[in-house]
Amino acid sequence: NAGVMQNPRHLVRRRGQEARLRCSPMKGHSHVYWYRQLPEEGLKFMVYLQKENIIDESGMPKERFSAEFPKEGPSILRIQQVVRGDSAAYFCASSPSAEPYGYTFGSGTRLTVV
Amino acid sequence: GENVGLHLPTLSVQEGDNSIINCAYSNSASDYFIWYKQESGKGPQFIIDIRSNMDKRQGQRVTVLLNKTVKHLSLQIAATQPGDSAVYFCAGTTPNDYKLSFGAGTTVTVRA
Repeated sequence: NAGVMQNPRHLVRRRGQEARLRCSPMKGHSHVYWYRQLPEEGLKFMVYLQKENIIDESGMPKERFSAEFPKEGPSILRIQQVVRGDSAAYFCASSPSAEPYGYTFGSGTRLTVV
Repeated sequence: GENVGLHLPTLSVQEGDNSIINCAYSNSASDYFIWYKQESGKGPQFIIDIRSNMDKRQGQRVTVLLNKTVKHLSLQIAATQPGDSAVYFCAGTTPNDYKLSFGAGTTVTVRA
């Protein structure tokens, strides 16, 4: 079991470009959560998805950010027209149910906007 | 939801000594807490968890204590080793919630 796989590990984008972050959950996990970690801070919840459904996006900015978890393939967090303030580590976690007990985090994508 | 916070941002400990990392939470309805370890460049790694119907839980070299009266929990690491150097986060959640609320983290540095 490869665990939660995120790619790329590091991503550099110029202001105004788009960033696409990918997350493949653990085998057997159908619940995916995205968290953002700013420097020197803890993780902050962004969005919770199940296959083909966004369950809770209350932590995700209304503009420029979107997430999906298609029937086939990884979950994608998309940030359009990136700004310097988007620079952060983005972590994906998966679990076998809609509970935090089985959370497993990936190694994250570190986004740097220049 | 839940607000959690750590008491000290950094902790320096001598190798072989015991470490104690503290965390406070605000919501008395919180019923589940997790301690995570995060090494540089990696994601949070589960260490130990505790539910609100327990006061204490032990793992391998780690113990979590929960004091619901003062809304405080701690992580104790016995015989701290260089490999324990990392940032430690407490996280909590309330019943029927899937979101974790994280504190800001304590950076533990182990001195040889």
